[in-house]
Amino acid sequence: AQKITQTQPGMFVQEKEAVTLDCTYDTSDPSYGLFWYKQPSSGEMIFLIYQGSYDQQNATEGRYSLNFQKARKSANLVISASQLGDSAMYFCAMRRSQGAQKLVFGQGTRLTINP
Amino acid sequence: ETGVTQTPRHLVMGMTNKKSLKCEQHLGHNAMYWYKQSAKKPLELMFVYNFKEQTENNSVPSRFSPECPNSSHLFLHLHTLQPEDSALYLCASSRTSGGSSSYNEQFFGPGTRLTVL
Repeated sequence: AQKITQTQPGMFVQEKEAVTLDCTYDTSDPSYGLFWYKQPSSGEMIFLIYQGSYDQQNATEGRYSLNFQKARKSANLVISASQLGDSAMYFCAMRRSQGAQKLVFGQGTRLTINP
Repeated sequence: ETGVTQTPRHLVMGMTNKKSLKCEQHLGHNAMYWYKQSAKKPLELMFVYNFKEQTENNSVPSRFSPECPNSSHLFLHLHTLQPEDSALYLCASSRTSGGSSSYNEQFFGPGTRLTVL
């Protein structure tokens, strides 16, 4: 069975600092995908970044990058130059393979950016 | 409207009521999903529809009844719910699986905050 673990229930960071949100996963599947979503207080889940298990390079999307360490089964999200608008819940999720649709989510990390 | 919309945004109902949640996607996707997000629990997948056909039911109690009349609309019919069913219900859509370079990421609506009294 697949499992996602996010060990940081909450994090507080000063504006403009970089922040790393931890995510570890457990799977026996050779092919899988990892996602990060942001959930503001308004409720909708916003897709941020994707990493495929066979991707050779770490994914990057603007200020977001994914520190993918396959041997350690970790997929940490790094947000550079944090902004007040980054305050939200952040969820790490896994999908078995390109052909699968079921996403398994972690419990989330609440990030608060202080001015 | 763009993206995924959900109505109502908030719903309070008694245990004997019957109500329905509506989801509509304007992204041309063919897969739609219902998720339940309870306090202090990970997001849980409830149902998956592909091309209007239900392809996954994640052991959801029968008091939740989904309906997908077309690829753009998804409903969740609720009847005789329990207080523990109070949660945020999120709808999502995506392209159907396929394509080696495709993320097929899911796009979510804003959710319906349900309270069962």
